[in-house]
Formats: sequence, C-alpha cells, structure tokens
Amino acid sequence: SAVISQKPSRDICQRGTSLTIQCQVDSQVTMMFWYRQQPGQSLTLIATANQGSEATYESGFVIDKFPISRPNLTFSTLTVSNMSPEDSSIYLCSVEKGAERYGYTFGSGTRLTVV
Amino acid sequence: GDSVTQMEGPVTLSEEAFLTINCTYTATGYPSLFWYVQYPGEGLQLLLKATKADDKGSNKGFEATYRKETTSFHLEKGSVQVSDSAVYFCALRASGSARQLTFGSGTQLTVLP
Repeated sequence: SAVISQKPSRDICQRGTSLTIQCQVDSQVTMMFWYRQQPGQSLTLIATANQGSEATYESGFVIDKFPISRPNLTFSTLTVSNMSPEDSSIYLCSVEKGAERYGYTFGSGTRLTVV
Repeated sequence: GDSVTQMEGPVTLSEEAFLTINCTYTATGYPSLFWYVQYPGEGLQLLLKATKADDKGSNKGFEATYRKETTSFHLEKGSVQVSDSAVYFCALRASGSARQLTFGSGTQLTVLP
C-alpha cells in the first residue's frame, strides 16, 4: 500500500482568498484522486489527476475554481480558489496503490473553514 | 451511472448488540466493493473489501458478502463495542476504465455502554 502525507491538516481562510493543499505519496502512483466531504456528507470526487496531463474534473467542478497540479508521480496539489463559506469542507486526496489487496489509501484530510 | 445506496442513519446500539448496515449498488459489470470507516476526527480507513461475487470480506469482527444477485454488500458485526462508534461508508469501484471510488452517503453508528 501507500502512505500519504497531506497538508495543511486544517485552515481558516478569509472569503475571496485561495488555499493550496498538498499531497505527497511515499511511492509512485499513476492516478491521484481529490475528494470533497461537506459537513455531515459523503465524499464527492472533484477530479482525477494524472501525471503529465490535465486533470479530469467531475460534473459540477471546474478547473478555474479547483486548479490541480501533478508535476510528478508522487505529488499533487489542489487549490481552492476565490473561496466562499460554501467551500468549507474536508478535502482529501487518495491513491490507488495495490487497491486489489489494500484498497484505496486516503490522506488524513484538510479541514477548511471559510469565514 | 454508478451509485451506492446506504442505510439511513444515525444508528444507535447498545454494546454487544448485533449490527447490520445495508448497502446496495447500481453498476454495470462486476465492480469491486469496499467498506471504509471514519472514526471521529480521523481520515478514512479501509475496513474490508470484496472484488468478486460471493467473496466475503472480513476484518475486526466485521463481515460483508458480495451478493451479485441482490447487488448488495451489507456490513455486519455480531457484537459491537463502544470503540466501533464511527461513520461507515460503502463504496464501489466500477469494472471499466474509471478508477475512482463512488461512495454511499455514510452511516453514523453510536454504540452506548
């Protein structure tokens, strides 16, 4: 399986600003996934990030609001841009490394509060 | 598209009670099925999984059987403990080219001493 280091673990941000969340994996992975978990809700996929290509966004999520970088096979960032209180959520990254045996691995999450 | 329907919560049980959390899915082909657990203030942890029909996943006293005929993957435990209090998510990964997980709505379980 993989080990993911995600940071920051939490932040409180002013509306209109941006926050960049980082995920570092301890081994090379092809795909990285970014999810959002709104308060009391389930996880919703934002986008899938592949190294060397544009991220693939799910319906309802756009690159201008959630730009993603994937500069190599062990690292990715998600930026939440021009934030509003509705963006207050937990953001998680995930990788599929040995999923058949270990399942998907998730970062510990970034708890974002927008005020 | 693919979807997971999970038993509505919250669920409150007494210690040593029997637990069932229902999960049904809609997907083409043969998806892989997972149960994840999220303890208070923590991230998601894999609880158990099954990758083909009739497989039984088990871990920490929890079990779930992949039932193709009823498209279900119900989570069970014979005797819950206070430490099992958490949110439980059922999820699937489709059998096609899409590799991401699709999650159910989550079920909050509280076990009282």
